Amino acid sequence: KAGVTQTPRYLIKTRGQQVTLSCSPISGHRSVSWYQQTPGQGLQFLFEYFSETQRNKGNFPGRFSGRQFSNSRSEMNVSTLELGDSALYLCASSLAGTTGELFFGEGSRLTVL
Amino acid sequence: AQRVTQPEKLLSVFKGAPVELKCNYSYSGSPELFWYVQYSRQRLQLLLRHISRESIKGFTADLNKGETSFHLKKPFAQEEDSAMYYCALSGGAAGNKLTFGGGTRVLVKP
Repeated sequence: KAGVTQTPRYLIKTRGQQVTLSCSPISGHRSVSWYQQTPGQGLQFLFEYFSETQRNKGNFPGRFSGRQFSNSRSEMNVSTLELGDSALYLCASSLAGTTGELFFGEGSRLTVL
Repeated sequence: AQRVTQPEKLLSVFKGAPVELKCNYSYSGSPELFWYVQYSRQRLQLLLRHISRESIKGFTADLNKGETSFHLKKPFAQEEDSAMYYCALSGGAAGNKLTFGGGTRVLVKP
């Protein structure tokens, strides 16, 4: 089985721009979660989608949004980028009915200049 | 609010020595606790979960609700155990909202 795939792997943006990151979960996984990883704050939960519905949400401003498609693929969007949004964004998928057993992608590293 | 604390950022041990990674949590309900590991140049992956009560790669972890701890232990560390370890908690909400600790880097010296 192919693992969780995230694209793009690296990207550079400037302040004020917006960015869209994509995540393809493992086949059969219906839950997709997003995490932000930074040296200062560590791993922080952004949101989780299950069957195209946002099931959980972390404490991030409204500039951070996401969605899930009928094939379980997910995207997250960050608008009006700030320098502090520079981070590794990790996507994780899991089977329905499981809690905490996440399969992570390699991440998308965003640099905001 | 739920919180996970890993007090040690770095643990350095010799091969064959015991290793214990500390994890303390703050949560008012009944949590589910996990240990995740990231080896060099690999993805973050689940190592073990407290409800399974099993040993993975020689590691065990016991949930102590009285001390709100979930320490990870291995009696004889191996060089291949060198990695970043994260303790994580899931509480309350359905689904996969995990709160992670800051991580502990383990270095096993030959």
